[in-house]
Amino acid sequence: GAGVSQSPRYKVAKRGQDVALRCDPISGHVSLFWYQQALGQGPEFLTYFQNEAQLDKSGLPSDRFFAERPEGSVSTLKIQRTQQEDSAVYLCASSLAGGWGTAINSGANVLTFGAGSRLTVL
Amino acid sequence: TQLLEQSPQFLSIQEGENLTVYCNSSSVFSSLQWYRQEPGEGPVLLVTVVTGGEVKKLKRLTFQFGDARKDSSLHITAAQPGDTGLYLCAGAAVYQLIWGAGTKLIIKP
Repeated sequence: GAGVSQSPRYKVAKRGQDVALRCDPISGHVSLFWYQQALGQGPEFLTYFQNEAQLDKSGLPSDRFFAERPEGSVSTLKIQRTQQEDSAVYLCASSLAGGWGTAINSGANVLTFGAGSRLTVL
Repeated sequence: TQLLEQSPQFLSIQEGENLTVYCNSSSVFSSLQWYRQEPGEGPVLLVTVVTGGEVKKLKRLTFQFGDARKDSSLHITAAQPGDTGLYLCAGAAVYQLIWGAGTKLIIKP
């Protein structure tokens, strides 16, 4: 597709439930990022994939959070045993290039964001 | 830990006024990006600044990167209601972007 697609757009879960959030990046984009955005705040980095390789997962808040991108395209962010503090908008973004050190002005590093998945844990 | 602080956090002004939003850090970034985010949408890139002292203009928006590449500003001239949104700055750090908390801007007609 033309943009980054995320689903579901809205998810309400009871505390303790597992949830899965899907991201369809722009076709051919090497890099894929997941961010968590609390209300009124900037995005917080969760994890980064270069193709199918998860190169950085340092932002995942706990071992209840798991992300995968098995074929280097679609990615899924899974949250197990959801807690109220997990309530946030989860943003996915993709870019053509890998990393920020290369071709910074070429446009290849431009991040395209999806509209996000808003998770509410009751 | 690298941090980006944005100020003000919230700004509400009348159409036609000028404004400046600031993004400050104690760390040096190789590049800094400005995004605008509207409710229910993801951030959209406005500009990337790379060189210390660099100034970029996008219509009525002027972006400046500090000489030491630790801070940046966004100046809007003659603000319009369509400029309303959350303005975010983000500094590049290897694979990550370090994000500010954003400035929520409301332009009243």
